[in-house]
Amino acid sequence: GAVVSQHPSWVICKSGTSVKIECRSLDFQATTMFWYRQFPKQSLMLMATSNEGSKATYEQGVEKDKFLINHASLTLSTLTVTSAHPEDSSFYICSAFIKDGYTFGSGTRLTVV
Amino acid sequence: DQQVKQNSPSLSVQEGRISILNCDYTNSMFDYFLWYKKYPAEGPTFLISISSIKDKNEDGRFTVFLNKSAKHLSLHIVPSQPGDSAVYFCAASAGNNNDMRFGAGTRLTVKP
Repeated sequence: GAVVSQHPSWVICKSGTSVKIECRSLDFQATTMFWYRQFPKQSLMLMATSNEGSKATYEQGVEKDKFLINHASLTLSTLTVTSAHPEDSSFYICSAFIKDGYTFGSGTRLTVV
Repeated sequence: DQQVKQNSPSLSVQEGRISILNCDYTNSMFDYFLWYKKYPAEGPTFLISISSIKDKNEDGRFTVFLNKSAKHLSLHIVPSQPGDSAVYFCAASAGNNNDMRFGAGTRLTVKP
């Protein structure tokens, strides 16, 4: 079945540095990728929708300059957390729409120290 | 690897009847299970959850059943309403980090 490979699965970084998270569609072409952030009590927030070859669409309240999304090819979308701070520590998940539903990446646990 | 599976991409039921959405998992370390509901152009919203120490959790019209031996859980919606039409995701997590694995979703259509 359609698989989205997300890397890294976990990362620890120092405050002020940048972290890149990759999501690759392994056996299909993902023209659209959704990026989510998990909050306490299992709430999942849609951060942005990336579209291949065009600018991402950010949800209200999400800082575009802080969460850089790039979707340069049909198989790769990246989320870069720039100048990370401890409050950016969270679980980030990507997802793509496929023929029969959605496929999710395995998520990235980001810890900023 | 798909550790959480929703084998039915879609389900159609009549208003007032019961909707049953199914989910299977493979990782025996999962100890917390959740259902999310997603409308078009929105992110998934949390619906109901169940811990592995229970086999049933009920919240209004929504009930989740967990069968640990079969590694299977289901979401029952009774009675179904047209507003319940959405995509439903099953998710599971293990341990204390709450990082979740998601199924592919089931699109529920409730017909008036």
